[in-house]
Amino acid sequence: ETGVTQSPTHLIKTRGQQVTLRCSSQSGHNTVSWYQQALGQGPQFIFQYYREEENGRGNFPPRFSGLQFPNYSSELNVNALELDDSALYLCASTPGGTGGEKLFFGSGTQLSVL
Amino acid sequence: DAKTTQPTSMDCAEGRAANLPCNHSTISGNEYVYWYRQIHSQGPQYIIHGLKNNETNEMASLIITEDRKSSTLILPHATLRDTAVYYCIVREGGTASKLTFGTGTRLQVTL
Repeated sequence: ETGVTQSPTHLIKTRGQQVTLRCSSQSGHNTVSWYQQALGQGPQFIFQYYREEENGRGNFPPRFSGLQFPNYSSELNVNALELDDSALYLCASTPGGTGGEKLFFGSGTQLSVL
Repeated sequence: DAKTTQPTSMDCAEGRAANLPCNHSTISGNEYVYWYRQIHSQGPQYIIHGLKNNETNEMASLIITEDRKSSTLILPHATLRDTAVYYCIVREGGTASKLTFGTGTRLQVTL
């Protein structure tokens, strides 16, 4: 079975631009969440998607938005990029139901905003 | 979710047991203790979780004190590949994906 895959692995953007990050969840996993990890810090929860709906959100502004598709893959969109958005963005999936206690993380997308 | 406190860093000799402590004195009755680790340049990896009984799997053992205010993650025979940041997280059980990570313990395994 394939694990969680994210693309691209690295990305450089300019302040004010928009970015889309992509995530393919592990096979059979219907719940996807996104995390932001600044340098030297632990990951911070952005939001979670289940059945194509956002059903949990952390302390992030509305310019952080997402989508989940029928095949459970997901996108994270960030508008009006700021310098502080430079971070590692992690996607995690979980099967939900029994076994939903474990999150399976991808290796992340390293975003640099100049 | 209850707050956790972990040492910033620890060292361990290869082949020896690594004992990583975590304090969670405000844990409530329905909150589980989870451990994840993050090896450099990778996403976090689930290790183990428990409610009040000690747990063991192929990766590690989790010892939770009787009052549940602290726990210890034990890697019985640490190897160089266990060098990572280890996060202790407390949260309610279920399928919610929100994990509140702190800054974790940086474990350095040396020869």
